[in-house]
Amino acid sequence: NAGVTQTPKFRVLKTGQSMTLLCAQDMNHEYMYWYRQDPGMGLRLIHYSVGEGTTAKGEVPDGYNVSRLKKQNFLLGLESAAPSQTSVYFCASSDPHRTGANNEQFFGPGTRLTVL
Amino acid sequence: SQQGEEDPQALSIQEGENATMNCSYKTSINNLQWYRQNSGRGLVHLILIRSNEREKHSGRLRVTLDTSKKSSSLLITASRAADTASYFCATDEAGGFKTIFGAGTRLFVKA
Repeated sequence: NAGVTQTPKFRVLKTGQSMTLLCAQDMNHEYMYWYRQDPGMGLRLIHYSVGEGTTAKGEVPDGYNVSRLKKQNFLLGLESAAPSQTSVYFCASSDPHRTGANNEQFFGPGTRLTVL
Repeated sequence: SQQGEEDPQALSIQEGENATMNCSYKTSINNLQWYRQNSGRGLVHLILIRSNEREKHSGRLRVTLDTSKKSSSLLITASRAADTASYFCATDEAGGFKTIFGAGTRLFVKA
């Protein structure tokens, strides 16, 4: 099993450009998450999904959109990138129903995004 | 605002010593988890403690939880250079779907 994979690993954008980050998991997990991590800070939740076709806002959703058309994929979109969105983006998945109350999350390797 | 806050922000110890990291949180929780992150990598789950548990062990890891003080500690015994990483606590809010992460403790173990 590949676990959680993220595409691309690195990207440089100019202000105003758009892009989509792809997250894929092969563990049949129900829940998926997008986080951003900035220097000296923990992870901040951008959006999350508790099942195919459903999405919800996290702590810092502004400037981002997401879609969960297939259970295994969770896409994060930036419609008009801003320098404040320079960060490392992590995707994660979990399935608390399968593991009881345990919401252990499995993380991808991250995407390093720079917006100039 | 972040739910969990770790203390200290950074810790430097010699190999063989014990490392203790603390986490405080603000609201009622279902579980508290600890994760590890090596430089440039994603987070890896270490251990979970439920709100009705007070202590849990896993190998060289010992986690305690005090719900009355809304705090937890992670103890790594007999540390190794390979333990050098950032450690994050994460709380699952009661009745919610989200896991909220703290800012982390950077641990450096000198060989």
